[in-house]
Amino acid sequence: GNSVTQMEGPVTLSEEAFLTINCTYTATGYPSLFWYVQYPGEGLQLLLKATKADDKGSNKGFEATYRKETTSFHLEKGSVQVSDSAVYFCALYTSGTYKYIFGTGTRLKVLA
Amino acid sequence: DTEVTQTPKHLVMGMTNKKSLKCEQHMGHRAMYWYKQKAKKPPELMFVYSYEKLSINESVPSRFSPECPNSSLLNLHLHALQPEDSALYLCASSPPGRNEKLFFGSGTQLSVL
Repeated sequence: GNSVTQMEGPVTLSEEAFLTINCTYTATGYPSLFWYVQYPGEGLQLLLKATKADDKGSNKGFEATYRKETTSFHLEKGSVQVSDSAVYFCALYTSGTYKYIFGTGTRLKVLA
Repeated sequence: DTEVTQTPKHLVMGMTNKKSLKCEQHMGHRAMYWYKQKAKKPPELMFVYSYEKLSINESVPSRFSPECPNSSLLNLHLHALQPEDSALYLCASSPPGRNEKLFFGSGTQLSVL
């Protein structure tokens, strides 16, 4: 079955450091891939998405590229801010269903 | 209006109580979802309503009873819950034909004593 694996957290970085959160997936067919972010006390918000191989999703300085050859969708940001502290979920979605497969989440803490 | 609104934000209930969670959206979305999220875990899908009809029930115990009175409103009725049901309950909705595009509410933090 489909699955998503993301790196264990927490990840602690200093402000302006480079961020990478690894995500790999297993899927049949051609899923869409997503990164969601959850700030404390809130629901999930869509951060970025990619719907086919080699697509790059980007938003708020975050980027991720859909790599079919390595079945990966790693999240990157060149310079993190304290306000980026949150939990990040990698997820896949197969068209025609209502079901997301979420990774376990990676907590990011950015220190001033 | 681009929000999914959930009430109450916090709820404490005993195991013999009956309570309801409410979710509302006015974005014209025709699919609405209930998720359960335990601390430090990803959300788990519970129910999906599509055009006010129950489409998916992920084998959720009958002490959770969903209801979709109209296209803007989704309820989750709770009865005889167990302490292990304590969690964050998230509502979400998606636009017609774009079920991958989820809009989440902020959730109801439920504690069962």
